[in-house]
Amino acid sequence: GAVVSQHPSWVICKSGTSVKIECRSLDFQATTMFWYRQFPKQSLMLMATSNEGSKATYEQGVEKDKFLINHASLTLSTLTVTSAHPEDSSFYICSAGDNNSPLHFGNGTRLTVT
Amino acid sequence: DQQVKQNSPSLSVQEGRISILNCDYTNSMFDYFLWYKKYPAEGPTFLISISSIKDKNEDGRFTVFLNKSAKHLSLHIVPSQPGDSAVYFCAATDSGSGGSNYKLTFGKGTLLTVNP
Repeated sequence: GAVVSQHPSWVICKSGTSVKIECRSLDFQATTMFWYRQFPKQSLMLMATSNEGSKATYEQGVEKDKFLINHASLTLSTLTVTSAHPEDSSFYICSAGDNNSPLHFGNGTRLTVT
Repeated sequence: DQQVKQNSPSLSVQEGRISILNCDYTNSMFDYFLWYKKYPAEGPTFLISISSIKDKNEDGRFTVFLNKSAKHLSLHIVPSQPGDSAVYFCAATDSGSGGSNYKLTFGKGTLLTVNP
């Protein structure tokens, strides 16, 4: 079945640095991918919709200059957390679909900013 | 404003018995609902879905019921197995088509523990 791969699975960075997270659809083409964030014991909150070849659509309250999304190909979307701060520490998950099945999720990235 | 609510943060069930996970929603535009299962440090895995034109969908041990008038859905697992222990998320969307390119609104999840 369709598989979504996310890398890295965890990352620790210092405050002020930037971190890039990759999301790949391994056996299908995804014109649209979604980025979610989950805080402990909370629901998955949609951050943005990543559209191949165009600008991402951000949800209300999500800073687009802080969370840079690039969807340069049909199989890869990246999320860059710029100038990370401790409050950005969270679990980030991407998802994608192939129009024939419900969304498939990556395994997530645990970001810890010290 | 929580549009999808899972009011039980946890549920404990004996192996072989039925597990019932509940979900309520407030947005009347939602017309497609999904249940996902999630293990720690992993992404959610799709379980089962239901369109608003149905009130029941069954897949093996999993059945989802939808009560549109009450804006309520539930996931039944029978018989429950220890391997079912995980966090279950209810999700909803207003796409209508059920296709993959839609935005999901998730509940907070319910931790199911199935005891041997």
